[in-house]
Amino acid sequence: GAVVSQHPSRVICKSGTSVKIECRSLDFQATTMFWYRQFPKQSLMLMATSNEGSKATYEQGVEKDKFLINHASLTLSTLTVTSAHPEDSSFYICSALVTRGGETQYFGPGTRLLVL
Amino acid sequence: AQSVTQLGSHVSVSEGALVLLRCNYSSSVPPYLFWYVQYPNQGLQLLLKYTSAATLVKGINGFEAEFKKSETSFHLTKPSAHMSDAAEYFCAVSDSGRDDKIIFGKGTRLHILP
Repeated sequence: GAVVSQHPSRVICKSGTSVKIECRSLDFQATTMFWYRQFPKQSLMLMATSNEGSKATYEQGVEKDKFLINHASLTLSTLTVTSAHPEDSSFYICSALVTRGGETQYFGPGTRLLVL
Repeated sequence: AQSVTQLGSHVSVSEGALVLLRCNYSSSVPPYLFWYVQYPNQGLQLLLKYTSAATLVKGINGFEAEFKKSETSFHLTKPSAHMSDAAEYFCAVSDSGRDDKIIFGKGTRLHILP
């Protein structure tokens, strides 16, 4: 199947700093990528849909100025958590949409963010 | 709006026993339904997917699920549990019958007893 990578896998930062998380589709191009957030022992919550070459679509309740998404190429989407606070600590997972042979989302391995 | 309900946040089965993870869905349109598995500190891996073709869907690692419209269910089964099956399992439904926006259930943690 298609491979999606995320970098970094873990990051610890100080409160008030910004953190960038990369999501890459390694062997295919993805016009659409998704960003999810997962709290401990909970399900994934969709944060936003990232479309190459256009603005991301954010879900209700997600601050677009807080979580900046850039999908500059067909293989890379980035999520920047700006002015991070401890409550932003979470597991962030991206996925890429493969449209050939039907539409399927392939998920990255996730990024664990800890804000001190 | 679409939603899924997974019955049981934790399920324990003995190694070699039948695995049954329950999922009920709600959808105003014919749904696409999914089961994903998540191992600790990892992303999600697609186990299987229902897309309105055969109601019995076979997936990876010996798992299968049956779509029952009359019961609005999509339960996941495996005849014989293996220790490596211990993980978190998520049932999901896609909005508008496409795979471009997925709504996840709360997940079921599967424990395998030796």
